[in-house]
Amino acid sequence: AQSVTQLDSHVSVSEGTPVLLRCNYSSSYSPSLFWYVQHPNKGLQLLLKYTSAATLVKGINGFEAEFKKSETSFHLTKPSAHMSDAAEYFCVVSDGKVKAAGNKLTFGGGTRVLVKP
Amino acid sequence: ETGVTQSPTHLIKTRGQQVTLRCSSQSGHNTVSWYQQALGQGPQFIFQYYREEENGRGNFPPRFSGLQFPNYSSELNVNALELDDSALYLCASSPGLAGGPGSYNEQFFGPGTRLTVL
Repeated sequence: AQSVTQLDSHVSVSEGTPVLLRCNYSSSYSPSLFWYVQHPNKGLQLLLKYTSAATLVKGINGFEAEFKKSETSFHLTKPSAHMSDAAEYFCVVSDGKVKAAGNKLTFGGGTRVLVKP
Repeated sequence: ETGVTQSPTHLIKTRGQQVTLRCSSQSGHNTVSWYQQALGQGPQFIFQYYREEENGRGNFPPRFSGLQFPNYSSELNVNALELDDSALYLCASSPGLAGGPGSYNEQFFGPGTRLTVL
């Protein structure tokens, strides 16, 4: 079984300051981990993914995340927030067991990011 | 390259009715997954289709059913609608193993269909 816990339901930052979104996961197998972003009334966009290569993963728009197996964490960071970063962010786990077609994604509850000018 | 598309964008139904939602997968993708996202929550996995066969199902009752067609497009059908079925329904396609070992479980999402049940 797999699960994801996003430790903060809301995060508020000032423009130009760092952003940290925390995520802990549980998985029976070596997991694949993702961060998706959802802007209001929009679909989900993939920010970055970890699939057992480098533990520090760089994504789009300056975001990066570090996979820490010992802590079962996959926190998302960005050095300097921009107004356009205001959105809902989802940490997602998929177990690494290869199946014929793919694996279901298990989403965390989401973290809503507010960026203040 | 065309991304994942869904129709309709919005839909209003009354309790007890039936609804069909449609999804066209991204070019080259043979796997389609459906998710339900209730207001203020993360998406929940409904089921996945691979080459026209159901390939995994989440904790949803049988009145949620689906189809995948030879062109890999898909439908989600919900019978006997309940008020709690009001949600954003998301379709995602993925390349499966054809995408290579590093991407077999990466999913690309459509914009969703907003279903309101009155």
